[in-house]
Amino acid sequence: NAGVMQNPRHLVRRRGQEARLRCSPMKGHSHVYWYRQLPEEGLKFMVYLQKENIIDESGMPKERFSAEFPKEGPSILRIQQVVRGDSAAYFCASSPPASGGDTQYFGPGTRLTVL
Amino acid sequence: QKEVEQNSGPLSVPEGAIASLNCTYSDRGSQSFFWYRQYSGKSPELIMFIYSNGDKEDGRFTAQLNKASQYVSLLIRDSQPSDSATYLCAVNTAPSGGYQKVTFGTGTKLQVIP
Repeated sequence: NAGVMQNPRHLVRRRGQEARLRCSPMKGHSHVYWYRQLPEEGLKFMVYLQKENIIDESGMPKERFSAEFPKEGPSILRIQQVVRGDSAAYFCASSPPASGGDTQYFGPGTRLTVL
Repeated sequence: QKEVEQNSGPLSVPEGAIASLNCTYSDRGSQSFFWYRQYSGKSPELIMFIYSNGDKEDGRFTAQLNKASQYVSLLIRDSQPSDSATYLCAVNTAPSGGYQKVTFGTGTKLQVIP
């Protein structure tokens, strides 16, 4: 059973370009979470999604960032017009339905570098 | 006040000793508490979760929770060099049940000296 998959693992963009980060949850998991980790800082919650729905996006910057989790395919975190401050590791986690307070499984992360 | 606070360390302990990692949280309504281990350049890995006051043991790891003091700790017995990592305390601060909005502390870096 494959774990949470993220791609690309490393992404380099120039300022002003768009970045698309993909996350495929574990099989049978319908809940997806995105986190951002800046160098030497903790994990910051960004958004929680279920299939076709955004449940909680309170951690998402108001501009340039968006997320989706379509009925088919991976969850996408999209950053438009990237700036150097967007350079970070972006982690996706998934959990099964009705997990209550149980485990979130993390993917390996995407390291975004903005030149 | 930060929602989840940890001493950033580094905490250095000799091999074979007990490492004690501490965490405090601000939301009295929190119900679920987690400890993750994160090696440098890697993703967080869940090692313990605890819901009830008291101790929970799993191998060399013991999680301790005191809701009255809003305090959770992780003890690592017989520390090994392979335990050297950053340990993240996390608390479920979701406004209602059914899903996890997990708030992470900034982590404590543990160094186990051979």
